[in-house]
Amino acid sequence: EADIYQTPRYLVIGTGKKITLECSQTMGHDKMYWYQQDPGMELHLIHYSYGVNSTEKGDLSSESTVSRIRTEHFPLTLESARPSHTSQYLCASSPTETYEQYFGPGTRLTVT
Amino acid sequence: KNQVEQSPQSLIILEGKNCTLQCNYTVSPFSNLRWYKQDTGRGPVSLTIMTFSENTKSNGRYTATLDADTKQSSLHITASQLSDSASYICVVSDRGSTLGRLYFGRGTQLTVWP
Repeated sequence: EADIYQTPRYLVIGTGKKITLECSQTMGHDKMYWYQQDPGMELHLIHYSYGVNSTEKGDLSSESTVSRIRTEHFPLTLESARPSHTSQYLCASSPTETYEQYFGPGTRLTVT
Repeated sequence: KNQVEQSPQSLIILEGKNCTLQCNYTVSPFSNLRWYKQDTGRGPVSLTIMTFSENTKSNGRYTATLDADTKQSSLHITASQLSDSASYICVVSDRGSTLGRLYFGRGTQLTVWP
């Protein structure tokens, strides 16, 4: 099993709150990703990073932001949560030289 | 329009039986195709990865096939177990960028009954 961690696993918050979803990996992977997944739907890429100080927006427009100050850490922040942000957020990482992506367990976010 | 289509959407089988899941894609150019298993409330876990030159790959009771000419793949599960109950996701990667963009299917929800 891959060494990639996400916290919290579950989060219920009120509208307007600022939240940060944590993602860490201990494999030294350069590439990291954030996906959003609704029940029964495909994963959508919202952010990715090639390495430290590199961040890019993905295919799905998202009001979230990310940072990559350290190789192992790729947090995602929502400045003002809304009910439309309710979803599962999955973090993944991959080494530069292979196609494989390793996923974290996900954070289930509910905004009331 | 999703460029990776999976069928069936859901499937129920009895423990010990075999089953085959289908994946059709239109992604071009093609780099590789992956099958992931995703347990409820968990992240996907890779089962197989196949490049253009590979037409079959096995991982225990899971066997994936790829026909790059017809752009079809299948995942065959042999002697199913209760722990096989999960969503199986087909993912295709292109060669269009250094990122190797991934196209995800919506998954087939497999339920194995005792």
